[in-house]
Amino acid sequence: DVKVTQSSRYLVKRTGEKVFLECVQDMDHENMFWYRQDPGLGLRLIYFSYDVKMKEKGDIPEGYSVSREKKERFSLILESASTNQTSMYLCASSSGTTDYNEQFFGPGTRLTVL
Amino acid sequence: GQSLEQPSEVTAVEGAIVQINCTYQTSGFNGLFWYQQHAGEAPTFLSYNVLDGLEEKGRFSSFLSRSKGYSYLLLKELQMKDSASYLCASLDSNYQLIWGAGTKLIIKP
Repeated sequence: DVKVTQSSRYLVKRTGEKVFLECVQDMDHENMFWYRQDPGLGLRLIYFSYDVKMKEKGDIPEGYSVSREKKERFSLILESASTNQTSMYLCASSSGTTDYNEQFFGPGTRLTVL
Repeated sequence: GQSLEQPSEVTAVEGAIVQINCTYQTSGFNGLFWYQQHAGEAPTFLSYNVLDGLEEKGRFSSFLSRSKGYSYLLLKELQMKDSASYLCASLDSNYQLIWGAGTKLIIKP
């Protein structure tokens, strides 16, 4: 069974804090993704990575950065958290083939920024 | 721009059949996914269509018409556990997933 885990299910932070969200997958997948999910907006891609130490901006990268030092781990960093970053954050992974590759999701982290 | 449209909410009766529609407009097309997401949980894969036609998988079927930019998910013999949000997502020319906002399926006994 593919397993994608995220470090926290719920997180409360204060405005201006630096926030780290960790994601680990155990299926040796090349591709990893960070999304945020907000009501009525669907999933929006923040950053993705096709390989170790590689990262690409998604649709809404502003205010975020990522790190992929190991294949199984992809971290999302909020450099200075703001209230508009209150959201559900979902990590996903998929294998490295270029045809259809199903994304497997972690359970999500519900982040509240006060 | 790229977009996927799906109804925000659909209501159906236990035991019945329900169809959830998705229309898409993306730059390039490499297939359409359907995911199921129960409240507070991660999305899980249901189906993938890249060719026109109907793909059946047990109680769930998914249909695609590439010429019309249209897909639907058909759920038969509805059970209360099918109450969830259903997300469609299109794979664009860069093999990026573009997501719809999701359809909340409410099932009444």
